[in-house]
Amino acid sequence: KAGVTQTPRYLIKTRGQQVTLSCSPISGHRSVSWYQQTPGQGLQFLFEYFSETQRNKGNFPGRFSGRQFSNSRSEMNVSTLELGDSALYLCASSLSGQGRETQYFGPGTRLLVL
Amino acid sequence: AQTVTQSQPEMSVQEAETVTLSCTYDTSESDYYLFWYKQPPSRQMILVIRQEAYKQQNATENRFSVNFQKAAKSFSLKISDSQLGDAAMYFCAYRSAFFGYTGNQFYFGTGTSLTVIP
Repeated sequence: KAGVTQTPRYLIKTRGQQVTLSCSPISGHRSVSWYQQTPGQGLQFLFEYFSETQRNKGNFPGRFSGRQFSNSRSEMNVSTLELGDSALYLCASSLSGQGRETQYFGPGTRLLVL
Repeated sequence: AQTVTQSQPEMSVQEAETVTLSCTYDTSESDYYLFWYKQPPSRQMILVIRQEAYKQQNATENRFSVNFQKAAKSFSLKISDSQLGDAAMYFCAYRSAFFGYTGNQFYFGTGTSLTVIP
């Protein structure tokens, strides 16, 4: 079974631009979560989607948004990029997004904002 | 909100030796799950081990074991017979067992970078 895939793997943008990242979960997984990883901050939860609905949201500004499609693929969008948005963005999928379920992580998209 | 603290940003261990990574968490809940995830350099994060809070017995997975102290809200990871492939960033994570309509997110610590010395 194919793992979680994320595209693109690397991205360079300038301040003020917007960016869209994509995540394809493991087949059959309906829950997709997004995280921002920066040195010293660990993983910060952005949001979780389940069955095309945002079920949970972390403490990030409205510039960060996402969506999920009927095939469970998910995208996240960051508008009006700031230097501080430079980070590794990870997505993780699981069957239903609860309890003792393992979250399976993708390789991440490394975003650099200049 | 729950918080997870990893007070050791970096650790090192000699190959074949044992190392313990620390994790503490803060919660008012009685039922939850705790996880250790491993992120090797430039590779995907994978689950190492998990512990259910209602289980008193500490989880073990081959060379990996945990010391779960519920009253102290402590969840340390012990790696025995360390191997070069164990070098990675290790993240401790918490998840509530209560599943409300908003789902239940993971709360991660800031990570411990483990170096294995040949």
